[in-house]
Amino acid sequence: EVQLVESGGGLVQPGASLKLSCVASGFTFSDYWMSWVRQTPGKTMEWIGDIKYDGSYTNYAPSLKNRFTISRDNAKSTLYLQMSNVRSEDTATYYCTRRTRGIGFDYWGQGVMVTVSS
Amino acid sequence: DVVLTQTPPTLSATIGQSVSISCRSSQSLLHSNGNTYLHWLLQRPGQSPQLLIYLVSRLESGVPNRFSGSGSGTDFTLKISGVEAEDLGVYYCVQGTHAPWTFGGGTKLELK
Repeated sequence: EVQLVESGGGLVQPGASLKLSCVASGFTFSDYWMSWVRQTPGKTMEWIGDIKYDGSYTNYAPSLKNRFTISRDNAKSTLYLQMSNVRSEDTATYYCTRRTRGIGFDYWGQGVMVTVSS
Repeated sequence: DVVLTQTPPTLSATIGQSVSISCRSSQSLLHSNGNTYLHWLLQRPGQSPQLLIYLVSRLESGVPNRFSGSGSGTDFTLKISGVEAEDLGVYYCVQGTHAPWTFGGGTKLELK
């Protein structure tokens, strides 16, 4: 059974940094592109970015690429999202997703909440 | 960025009723390779989104065949032929033809 389990969320002050993790199981992690998607409190969905199966290439939403960094550790089957200089508009639930070629986001984690507030 | 407009934003239905959700794109989603990367997700209350339909009309494994997808170019439709209680939630269309990936605003399906 495919499982994606995010962690690392919480309350963070504006301007701070935060690193989210996503541990994958039930499939060969190193065979898949992985993505981060966030959902705002108003339920708007936004793609953050993704990373190639071997970690050699990343794509980001243009509005986020200067502050967010995606990485992975295939030996640990873990995906990461490093968030820096966070803003109130980064308040959202962050989802780790598996991306399958031609199919899109076929598995989602349970999500982790990030609240940016002073 | 490609804008996906879903209508209606809210849909009230009775059990057994057939309903349709529209997703219109600001530009054609036909990729140069001949594929159309338009997919549908369902987010049940309190749950994560799940993939229902990919490449316009292909049902994800385990998805009941009362769900169907159709369309081409800029106009797409998700149809549920006989709503069941477990179908309630928010439906999103999502496109991957043009970078970056973008999502529709969602359609909430509720019981009448």
